[in-house]
Amino acid sequence: DAGVTQSPTHLIKTRGQQVTLRCSPKSGHDTVSWYQQALGQGPQFIFQYYEEEERQRGNFPDRFSGHQFPNYSSELNVNALLLGDSALYLCASSYWGLAGDEQFFGPGTRLTVL
Amino acid sequence: DQQVKQNSPSLSVQEGRISILNCDYTNSMFDYFLWYKKYPAEGPTFLISISSIKDKNEDGRFTVFLNKSAKHLSLHIVPSQPGDSAVYFCAAFGTTGNQFYFGTGTSLTVIP
Repeated sequence: DAGVTQSPTHLIKTRGQQVTLRCSPKSGHDTVSWYQQALGQGPQFIFQYYEEEERQRGNFPDRFSGHQFPNYSSELNVNALLLGDSALYLCASSYWGLAGDEQFFGPGTRLTVL
Repeated sequence: DQQVKQNSPSLSVQEGRISILNCDYTNSMFDYFLWYKKYPAEGPTFLISISSIKDKNEDGRFTVFLNKSAKHLSLHIVPSQPGDSAVYFCAAFGTTGNQFYFGTGTSLTVIP
């Protein structure tokens, strides 16, 4: 079991560009959540996808969007990048409706915006 | 607004002694609390959880205590081992908001 995988590991972009991050959930999981972890901060919830629909959303602007595919993998898209978007982006997978102790995190994608 | 707070950014403990990590929250609607451990270059991994109907939950060397009136929880690690050195995040979940809120983390160093 490969667990939760994310790609790429690191990414460098410039302000105003767009970026796409990818996540493959743990085998058997159907729900994907995305988090942003800025330096020195805890993970902040961006949104959650289940059955290819956004089910919950945190306090993030519309520049942050996502998608879930039929195989449960997911993408996070960020448009019009700002310097403040530099962070570690974590993906977590779970079964829909289960408690948080069943949420498994990937290693993250480190995004640097110059 | 930071609804979950960990006021100690770092903690150093001798091997074999007790480590106590603290967490405070502001939202009384939170009803489920978790602790995650994070090593460098890895994602957070679940450690232990507690429901708001309990005030204590144990799992081996790890015990979480919840004081609802004080909106405070703590993680006790006894005895501490060098492999416990990591960043620890507490997280809270409320069915009304239906999302997890994480603290800023405490970096624990266990000195051999």
